[in-house]
Amino acid sequence: LAKTTQPISMDSYEGQEVNITCSHNNIATNDYITWYQQFPSQGPRFIIQGYKTKVTNEVASLFIPADRKSSTLSLPRVSLSDTAVYYCLVGDRQTGRRALTFGSGTRLQVQP
Amino acid sequence: GAGVSQSPSNKVTEKGKDVELRCDPISGHTALYWYRQSLGQGLEFLIYFQGNSAPDKSGLPSDRFSAERTGGSVSTLTIQRTQQEDSAVYLCASSLERGTDTQYFGPGTRLTVL
Repeated sequence: LAKTTQPISMDSYEGQEVNITCSHNNIATNDYITWYQQFPSQGPRFIIQGYKTKVTNEVASLFIPADRKSSTLSLPRVSLSDTAVYYCLVGDRQTGRRALTFGSGTRLQVQP
Repeated sequence: GAGVSQSPSNKVTEKGKDVELRCDPISGHTALYWYRQSLGQGLEFLIYFQGNSAPDKSGLPSDRFSAERTGGSVSTLTIQRTQQEDSAVYLCASSLERGTDTQYFGPGTRLTVL
């Protein structure tokens, strides 16, 4: 299984850009990279998914270098409500199985 | 539309009792997943249903845990002879097709075993 490694925690202040990097050295050719966000007492929520280069949506951007061994979730101008745990997953759209390991995630704390 | 629902939202039981947790996936979603999350920890995969295929049970921690999915829709996770270490939030998710398609999670069931 493609293992992912993320920082355990990060701190930021309101209005700053936050970048959370995930390492996935064993990523396979068919693997996609997906990020989820989880607030306390709630289930995770999909943020963004990508395969290579850059993906942007209304919530975040995902940067994936050419070798795809890492990815960076970028949250522009965070607010207090972005305080949450962020999970990086790597998985194969064909088999599905490898995307089922969420890991411990990165706990982001945004301060005023 | 309606999201994934789970019931009960909270369940307190005594050690040794059996419990059943229910998940109603989003209509039309063929894939259904169960996860367990202990306090302050990440999600632990338990079981995965995809259409009419045999479920992937590789994450079930012991034979006290079982799950079924009736008619390709509602799923029930059963824990027999509960132990205190079973205390956790049990999360259910569903997705449209394959494993890495967006998973939509329910609010979870908080299980406390006394």
